[in-house]
Amino acid sequence: SQKIEQNSEALNIQEGKTATLTCNYTNYSPAYLQWYRQDPGRGPVFLLLIRENEKEKRKERLKVTFDTTLKQSLFHITASQPADSATYLCALRGNYQLIWGAGTKLIIKP
Amino acid sequence: DADVTQTPRNRITKTGKRIMLECSQTKGHDRMYWYRQDPGLGLRLIYYSFDVKDINKGEISDGYSVSRQAQAKFSLSLESAIPNQTALYFCATSESYWTYGYTFGSGTRLTVV
Repeated sequence: SQKIEQNSEALNIQEGKTATLTCNYTNYSPAYLQWYRQDPGRGPVFLLLIRENEKEKRKERLKVTFDTTLKQSLFHITASQPADSATYLCALRGNYQLIWGAGTKLIIKP
Repeated sequence: DADVTQTPRNRITKTGKRIMLECSQTKGHDRMYWYRQDPGLGLRLIYYSFDVKDINKGEISDGYSVSRQAQAKFSLSLESAIPNQTALYFCATSESYWTYGYTFGSGTRLTVV
């Protein structure tokens, strides 16, 4: 079955630096991969979707890459700010549903 | 108003009680979902509905049931709550199941004692 792995350890980044989060998956290659932000006690909020034929997608300070050979997506936040602190989830297309990673907690320190 | 509204926000109930979690959406989408989130685990799908007449079990449907009362309303019931159903429950809606992002509600924190 499809499996997604995100770093379970929190990522601590100094304000102003680039934060990079990793999403690895096994088995077949999904056609689409999505990234979400989740704040404590709140529902996930959709950020970006990238298709398998797109190597890179950008939205403001966010950038997502998708390497189907490595079976990996990287999520970058440039010029990070304390307000970017949250848990970031990746999700990929399964047979009839999205399959979700457990998320990586990002902490941006002033 | 929020695009997806869940009620209640928090609920403590006793083992064996029946409880209903409600969800309504104003996005006008046909697809709706119920998820459960536990610490350290990814979101797990309980039930999903592609329209009012199409309801399907997800990966963890045992102990749960749903009702799709209208395009905008999708309720989740725990027929006889047990402590390991203590979790954060989310309702979501989408235009398509993978090509567009999902819109989530704020969640219901359920505690079964």
